[in-house]
Amino acid sequence: KAGVTQTPRYLIKTRGQQVTLSCSPISGHRSVSWYQQTPGQGLQFLFEYFSETQRNKGNFPGRFSGRQFSNSRSEMNVSTLELGDSALYLCASSLTWQANTEAFFGQGTRLTVV
Amino acid sequence: DQQVKQNSPSLSVQEGRISILNCDYTNSMFDYFLWYKKYPAEGPTFLISISSIKDKNEDGRFTVFLNKSAKHLSLHIVPSQPGDSAVYFCAARAKNSYDKVIFGPGTSLSVIP
Repeated sequence: KAGVTQTPRYLIKTRGQQVTLSCSPISGHRSVSWYQQTPGQGLQFLFEYFSETQRNKGNFPGRFSGRQFSNSRSEMNVSTLELGDSALYLCASSLTWQANTEAFFGQGTRLTVV
Repeated sequence: DQQVKQNSPSLSVQEGRISILNCDYTNSMFDYFLWYKKYPAEGPTFLISISSIKDKNEDGRFTVFLNKSAKHLSLHIVPSQPGDSAVYFCAARAKNSYDKVIFGPGTSLSVIP
């Protein structure tokens, strides 16, 4: 079966702009989690959605938001981009909420803010 | 406050030898631990896990050891192969809860041929 698909793979934006990233989970998976990866910081948890509801949220400012659609696809939005938002954004798909099953990750979207 | 720590950012090991990657955690509510492996330009992939009711779990060349009293776990790779060169993330969660999974910062393993 198809894996987790993230689009786009690469993105370059300027400061102050906004960006929307997309994640299509594995068919049948209802949980989607988002992570930010920067050098030395590992995977910082952004939020988790399950059945269109945000279940958990990490310690990120309100400029970071997300949503999940009825088909479990998820989008993440970052407004008023800052240079420090440059990172690899990873989406993880799980059968149920992530605390109960291991996650399957997409390849990520590499965001560069200039 | 980092709840999952991997104090070695990098590790180099000779091919054929044992690789030992360490992980420490602070939250006593964690009762399930996972290791993920990540190659450049790819997302992390699940490697092995261990429940807090066990102190060891083995899968082929990979073994994870858990010391609950020390809040410490380690991943052993024997024998190490060049294809094992990757970043390894330790992760922890409270099973059967809505709590999020917490990842450590990762350890970059280089296996030298």
